[in-house]
Parts: sequence; C-alpha cells; structure tokens
Amino acid sequence: AQSVTQLGSHVSVSEGALVLLRCNYSSSVPPYLFWYVQYPNQGLQLLLKYTTGATLVKGINGFEAEFKKSETSFHLTKPSAHMSDAAEYFCAVSVTSGTYKYIFGTGTRLKVLA
Amino acid sequence: DGGITQSPKYLFRKEGQNVTLSCEQNLNHDAMYWYRQDPGQGLRLIYYSQIVNDFQKGDIAEGYSVSREKKESFPLTVTSAQKNPTAFYLCASSNTQGAFYGYTFGSGTRLTVV
Repeated sequence: AQSVTQLGSHVSVSEGALVLLRCNYSSSVPPYLFWYVQYPNQGLQLLLKYTTGATLVKGINGFEAEFKKSETSFHLTKPSAHMSDAAEYFCAVSVTSGTYKYIFGTGTRLKVLA
Repeated sequence: DGGITQSPKYLFRKEGQNVTLSCEQNLNHDAMYWYRQDPGQGLRLIYYSQIVNDFQKGDIAEGYSVSREKKESFPLTVTSAQKNPTAFYLCASSNTQGAFYGYTFGSGTRLTVV
C-alpha cells in the first residue's frame, strides 16, 4: 500500500536561506509524486510533479524536487527563501490503481523569517 | 478561464441540520473529489466520482452524501449524522489521467457548527 511521510510539521527559515522540505514515500509500484502549496484559506496549487524520466524536476516559484528511488524520497528545495513562500506544503503519491486517487502527507507549514 | 468554483466560502450550520456544499468545474474533467482538511491531519478523502452517475466512498464517508448528475457538478451534503463537521472542505477535479497530470483544486468552503 502507498503512504507518504512528511518530516516536520513546521519549518522556519530566514529570508534568503535554503528551503528543504522532506517527503518520504512507500509504494509497491513505480510512484507518481507531487508537491502542492496551500496559502491560508485557499485551495491547493500544484508546484511540481515527478512521473517518469528526469529525476530532478523543476516547478513554479523556483522550487525543485529530486526523486531518489534508493532513498524513497522526494524532498522539495528552493535555494533562497522569499517571504512570499510562507505557506503549507503537501507531498502526495498517486495510487496507480486506475482510480486516480492520491495519498497526501500531513503537510509542512513553512515560516520565513525576515 | 477554466477552473473549479466552490460555494459558499463560509458556511455555518446549526446542530441537527443538513447542509450542502457546491462544487462546479468547467474544465471538462471526468473525475471529481471531495477532501476534508483538519489542522495537522492533512487531506482526507470523503468521496470521489470518476464518471457521471457513479461515485465511491473514500476514507471518511460516514455522515456525508454526494451526487453526480452532471459532469460539471459534484455537490457534497454534510448530514446531521456527521458528529464533528467543523472543517475546511476542498473539492478537486482531474482528467482521466489524473494520476499523471495532478488535480485542480477549488478554493474551499469553511464549515462551522454553531
């Protein structure tokens, strides 16, 4: 069965510092992996996704993530944090059983300090 | 522009009342989903529908009901049987390759029991 674990429910970084949000997954089949961002009282917006091919994927707002099969990880990074990056971030893995369902992690709230 | 519209944005329910949350999409997506979001618990799937006139229970369907009479619409009714309905509700949609392309989310409805 598929599962997702996000390490750290809250992460604080200084403006201009590296952002690293951790996501580990468990899947019995080759996974499709996603990162979504949620701003307060809003829906989720797709940041980036890995399906097949290149393991380093780039998304919107300068974020990127690397799929590491050996470590079952899909960590999200950004070289330099901006105040506008403050939000909640969710990692998700698809349940590739034909139902288009995802399993979401519990989320990581990113705080950016001035 | 295509997207998903959820209404209302805020909803207040008295004890014992049923309430219906609206979700409409103009993306021509086949699949639609309802998620419940509680602090620290991530997103939990309530119901999903892959085609018109068909839907399946998710992980926390008790106390909720849905219908899918039109491709564009997937309303969620929170019944009086749902003992703790206060939460943020998110509707999403995807095409038949949703596991590959990702979901599009609405902006959510915040339901509060008064």
